[in-house]
Amino acid sequence: AQKITQTQPGMFVQEKEAVTLDCTYDTSDPSYGLFWYKQPSSGEMIFLIYQGSYDQQNATEGRYSLNFQKARKSANLVISASQLGDSAMYFCAMSLRALIFGKGTTLSVSS
Amino acid sequence: GAGVSQTPSNKVTEKGKYVELRCDPISGHTALYWYRQSLGQGPEFLIYFQGTGAADDSGLPNDRFFAVRPEGSVSTLKIQRTERGDSAVYLCASSPGGGRTDTQYFGPGTRLTVL
Repeated sequence: AQKITQTQPGMFVQEKEAVTLDCTYDTSDPSYGLFWYKQPSSGEMIFLIYQGSYDQQNATEGRYSLNFQKARKSANLVISASQLGDSAMYFCAMSLRALIFGKGTTLSVSS
Repeated sequence: GAGVSQTPSNKVTEKGKYVELRCDPISGHTALYWYRQSLGQGPEFLIYFQGTGAADDSGLPNDRFFAVRPEGSVSTLKIQRTERGDSAVYLCASSPGGGRTDTQYFGPGTRLTVL
């Protein structure tokens, strides 16, 4: 069965620290995409970063990087130098065409 | 350029009524998706359009839900005989081609409340 698992309901980090949000996935399909989205309290879903199943290198986008370990079926999001504005819900998703989302992790950044 | 837009932003209706939710995708995007997000959960897939046709409607919960995209751009999600359990945020997303590697861009959502 195709599934995304995010085991951390909430994470707390101080400003300027790095934080890792965990995501594991399950699929038997060899071709898929992995995405991370941020959802602030306003409700909009903001695309952060993408990793394709055949990509050899880990994706990076500014302060975001995706730690992709294919054998372990994990796609963890690393946020470096956290900012107060990073406080939000973060969703990991897998694309086999439509997106399959995890339950999300709430990140709280304090000063 | 303009992102995905959805109207209305909020909709309150009574049980048993009919509602229509509208999505205007990013110009030029051929793929359009509808998702439903209940409180505290991740979005769940409802239906996917490639052009004018519904390529995958496996996520529609029952036959009270129906969606159209007659000209391959704007889409309308229609819910008949609404039930309290239909209360959720309905999200629309579009992508350039609908491939597995295409990024889906989301609209702000329509919050539906069924009283």
